[in-house]
Amino acid sequence: AQSVTQLGSHVSVSEGALVLLRCNYSSSVPPYLFWYVQYPNQGLQLLLKYTTGATLVKGINGFEAEFKKSETSFHLTKPSAHMSDAAEYFCAVRKVTGGGNKLTFGTGTQLKVEL
Amino acid sequence: EPEVTQTPSHQVTQMGQEVILRCVPISNHLYFYWYRQILGQKVEFLVSFYNNEISEKSEIFDDQFSVERPDGSNFTLKIRSTKLEDSAMYFCASTEGSVYGYTFGSGTRLTVV
Repeated sequence: AQSVTQLGSHVSVSEGALVLLRCNYSSSVPPYLFWYVQYPNQGLQLLLKYTTGATLVKGINGFEAEFKKSETSFHLTKPSAHMSDAAEYFCAVRKVTGGGNKLTFGTGTQLKVEL
Repeated sequence: EPEVTQTPSHQVTQMGQEVILRCVPISNHLYFYWYRQILGQKVEFLVSFYNNEISEKSEIFDDQFSVERPDGSNFTLKIRSTKLEDSAMYFCASTEGSVYGYTFGSGTRLTVV
């Protein structure tokens, strides 16, 4: 079964600094990968996804992620953090075939942005 | 931008009571899901629904749970006899297909007392 591991349940950065949120997946075949953001008391918003093609994926709000098959990773980055980026971020995986299309989520990383 | 709509946003119910959580998925989407998030924990898959039937369910989705798409637009999750441990945020999601992103609703916070 596929799974994702998010290293670091809490990450704190200064405003303007690089944001790096780590995600490693486990799957017998390369999966589809997603990053979602959850602001307080809100639902899950899709930031970006990797399905096929270019391994560097750009998403909303200046975020991007790179699929690295050799490292089984899909880390999320943003060059310059903004206060509005403070939220919880979830990495999720889906098997390419079968599996009922369900998403399996990581445990989440709470991003704090400080002045 | 099209949205997945969930109602109510917050529901408080007595233990043992039945609750129905409602969702209106995006109109051209074909796959529908329920997930839940217990406070402070990760988002967990409950059930997926396609072509008017359950395509997959988790071990959490026992006989107390059921889903229905009664009229071609609404997608409901029913919990027959709620337990304290059912208290969670329940999210509905839909997607056009496997290569597309999943659109989530803003959730229903269920509190069982």
